[in-house]
Amino acid sequence: SAVISQKPSRDICQRGTSLTIQCQVDSQVTMMFWYRQQPGQSLTLIATANQGSEATYESGFVIDKFPISRPNLTFSTLTVSNMSPEDSSIYLCSGRDRGETEAFFGQGTRLTVV
Amino acid sequence: AQSVAQPEDQVNVAEGNPLTVKCTYSVSGNPYLFWYVQYPNRGLQFLLKYITGDNLVKGSYGFEAEFNKSQTSFHLKKPSALVSDSALYFCAVREDTGGFKTIFGAGTRLFVKA
Repeated sequence: SAVISQKPSRDICQRGTSLTIQCQVDSQVTMMFWYRQQPGQSLTLIATANQGSEATYESGFVIDKFPISRPNLTFSTLTVSNMSPEDSSIYLCSGRDRGETEAFFGQGTRLTVV
Repeated sequence: AQSVAQPEDQVNVAEGNPLTVKCTYSVSGNPYLFWYVQYPNRGLQFLLKYITGDNLVKGSYGFEAEFNKSQTSFHLKKPSALVSDSALYFCAVREDTGGFKTIFGAGTRLFVKA
């Protein structure tokens, strides 16, 4: 399967600021997703990153808070905007090619907002 | 709507003993079922999947899982646990009817004691 490189691996940010997380795949993939994993909890899908168009957001997540870009089939970014301590989580990038059944994941970004 | 349940927050086993991590699911169509493992400060690693065919599927690191359609279950098993198996395990499901979202269970923490 493809390999996803995600950066930064961790960051500590001040409330009110924004952080952009980058996700680079070593091959073209049809679908890319962004998940949030809050402390001690499971993965929650934030959005599907669509190449060349606006991302598709899940209930409870909005573009103003989590703008996503996907300029091509190997790269995506997630921005966490106007951060508050409640945004402290692990953010995970995931990819899956249309012909594949399982998704693969980056190593995650551990975000702490102080 | 699809959903996944992992009824146990934590499973404790002694090294060398068999282990089982439970998972039940709910989908409208036929399920694609997955198990992932997460080690501390790491992303998710794919272990195994059920798509169709034999109900017993084998995966990485000696793990296997049994699909039971009547009980809508997909329990993860290993004949002999290792201390290094201690990690967080996630069951996940996706519908085969063109669905692209993978839904994750709450996770089960496995502790293997030497």
